Amino acid sequence: NAGVTQTPKFRVLKTGQSMTLLCAQDMNHEYMYWYRQDPGMGLRLIHYSVGEGTTAKGEVPDGYNVSRLKKQNFLLGLESAAPSQTSVYFCASRYQNEQYFGPGTRLTVT
Amino acid sequence: EDQVTQSPEALRLQEGESSSLNCSYTVSGLRGLFWYRQDPGKGPEFLFTLYSAGEEKEKERLKATLTKKESFLHITAPKPEDSATYLCAVQARANSKLTFGKGITLSVRP
Repeated sequence: NAGVTQTPKFRVLKTGQSMTLLCAQDMNHEYMYWYRQDPGMGLRLIHYSVGEGTTAKGEVPDGYNVSRLKKQNFLLGLESAAPSQTSVYFCASRYQNEQYFGPGTRLTVT
Repeated sequence: EDQVTQSPEALRLQEGESSSLNCSYTVSGLRGLFWYRQDPGKGPEFLFTLYSAGEEKEKERLKATLTKKESFLHITAPKPEDSATYLCAVQARANSKLTFGKGITLSVRP
């Protein structure tokens, strides 16, 4: 069991570039989440999914899009990256009331 | 709007010096209160879920308690390996999202 994995681990983008972050879980969990973590701000929810084919907005969804085409994968897209999107991104999946987090992706936008 | 406030922001303890971390919350109907541990450069790791006032849970040197307004994470005789950031989060009955506090950074000196 790999748990929750995230790809890539690190990325540097220039303003205006696009990219996709991949989250994969092998625990057959229905719920999946994308968070960003910034110094002094705590974890903030970007988007989430309650099952395959569903997505919903969280607290800070602007500038991001998501897709959940397969149950085990949850993709986070940045169409036109901005310096304000420099952050550490965490994916999580949920079983009953417990969320299991991935190791994170550190993204820098210059 | 659900809110979580953790205090203090940082805590430095001597090995063996017991203390408590505070999590104050406001939520419209509590489904659960969660404690996570996060080590530098890693994703949060689940510790406890508390569901109702008066509930307590223990794991090694950690004990979590819950009232209607706050939760405490008591650390008994801490060791240097307990150094980490401890996150508190709440989930309202009405939704499947967690609201996180900003975390408490604990440092235990040998």
